[in-house]
Amino acid sequence: GAVVSQHPSRVICKSGTSVKIECRSLDFQATTMFWYRQFPKQSLMLMATSNEGSKATYEQGVEKDKFLINHASLTLSTLTVTSAHPEDSSFYICSAKGLAGMSNTGELFFGEGSRLTVL
Amino acid sequence: AQTVTQSQPEMSVQEAETVTLSCTYDTSESNYYLFWYKQPPSRQMILVIRQEAYKQQNATENRFSVNFQKAAKSFSLKISDSQLGDTAMYFCAFMKRGSQGNLIFGKGTKLSVKP
Repeated sequence: GAVVSQHPSRVICKSGTSVKIECRSLDFQATTMFWYRQFPKQSLMLMATSNEGSKATYEQGVEKDKFLINHASLTLSTLTVTSAHPEDSSFYICSAKGLAGMSNTGELFFGEGSRLTVL
Repeated sequence: AQTVTQSQPEMSVQEAETVTLSCTYDTSESNYYLFWYKQPPSRQMILVIRQEAYKQQNATENRFSVNFQKAAKSFSLKISDSQLGDTAMYFCAFMKRGSQGNLIFGKGTKLSVKP
């Protein structure tokens, strides 16, 4: 299957700093990428949908200025948590949808996830 | 709006036995996909099996099979010959066909396979 890589897998930062998480599709071009947040022992909640070359679409309740998403190329989307606070500590997961042939199957490919801890 | 419900927060099964995980969903759409994803302790989401709503035949992938009842909006996962490596969180998910790819997840079922 297709490979999606996230980096870093773990990050610890001080309150008030910004953290960038990268999501890369390694062997396919991803027209659309999704960012999820997962709290401990809970399901994945969609935060935003990112399309290459256009602004991300955020889900209700997700602060656009807090969670900056950039999808500058067909293989890379980034999520920047700005002015992080302890309540932003969570597991962030990206997924990617490929171009025409791949997307027809409905399958998404997930990254390994990034655990953010804000002190 | 679509919703996905997994009514079993936790389940356990003995190694080599069979277990069934339940999932129901609610939608007014007629064309959609249903998925079961596995999230092991490593946390990476792994696709287990996929079902296209317009196909009546139940999907199977080796030891994994589904019982798709479209009228009842039910999509259960059966794991045969359970293995220790099957221990994980299992999420049922819905995607409207033709959408950008937004997955709607259930709350998950934690499956423990005991030796």
